[in-house]
Amino acid sequence: GAVVSQHPSRVICKSGTSVKIECRSLDFQATTMFWYRQFPKQSLMLMATSNEGSKATYEQGVEKDKFLINHASLTLSTLTVTSAHPEDSSFYICSAQRSQGAYEQYFGPGTRLTVT
Amino acid sequence: GNSVTQMEGPVTLSEEAFLTINCTYTATGYPSLFWYVQYPGEGLQLLLKATKADDKGSNKGFEATYRKETTSFHLEKGSVQVSDSAVYFCALRSTDSWGKLQFGAGTQVVVTP
Repeated sequence: GAVVSQHPSRVICKSGTSVKIECRSLDFQATTMFWYRQFPKQSLMLMATSNEGSKATYEQGVEKDKFLINHASLTLSTLTVTSAHPEDSSFYICSAQRSQGAYEQYFGPGTRLTVT
Repeated sequence: GNSVTQMEGPVTLSEEAFLTINCTYTATGYPSLFWYVQYPGEGLQLLLKATKADDKGSNKGFEATYRKETTSFHLEKGSVQVSDSAVYFCALRSTDSWGKLQFGAGTQVVVTP
């Protein structure tokens, strides 16, 4: 149990377009989901925390108008990269947590975004 | 603020060798500590955790002990296998967060036959 999926696994888009990445908890309900960004050979950088039914909380330095996060249900959160540019190319990873105070986060397999 | 420092890789070992990956942290209060593993092409998986001082987390032959006096959580395995080749991340979850994790930079481990 505790499987998190992401779709798509890879996406290539043109500069200036928007792309949506989905994160789903397949066999549990996730009160809280997190979005991370991982650069090559580097650690995960937390972008934002989203709680179902409320606005996401963004980390310092993350543009909330560029990275739109929606957590509309207990099993789905979406990250939309708006007006993407090549510097947005990265590996985006989501994780899900059963409840606010839960210890364990379950990670999705990641989405590789390439902006040309 | 909180931070996690772990040894740089890559670490290259022969099969059946002893593995140690050092991890130290800076945090207020009593954070929970974790080791995550990322196999090639896969997402992160929780390897083990410890929630209070002197706790020992263990899984799949890996162990790590929460040492508050040295603010460390070193990962060890007595005899590695080729299948242990992966990137290992040390992380902490502070007591005042909603589960936010602070990750170390990750250490790539390569085990050769």
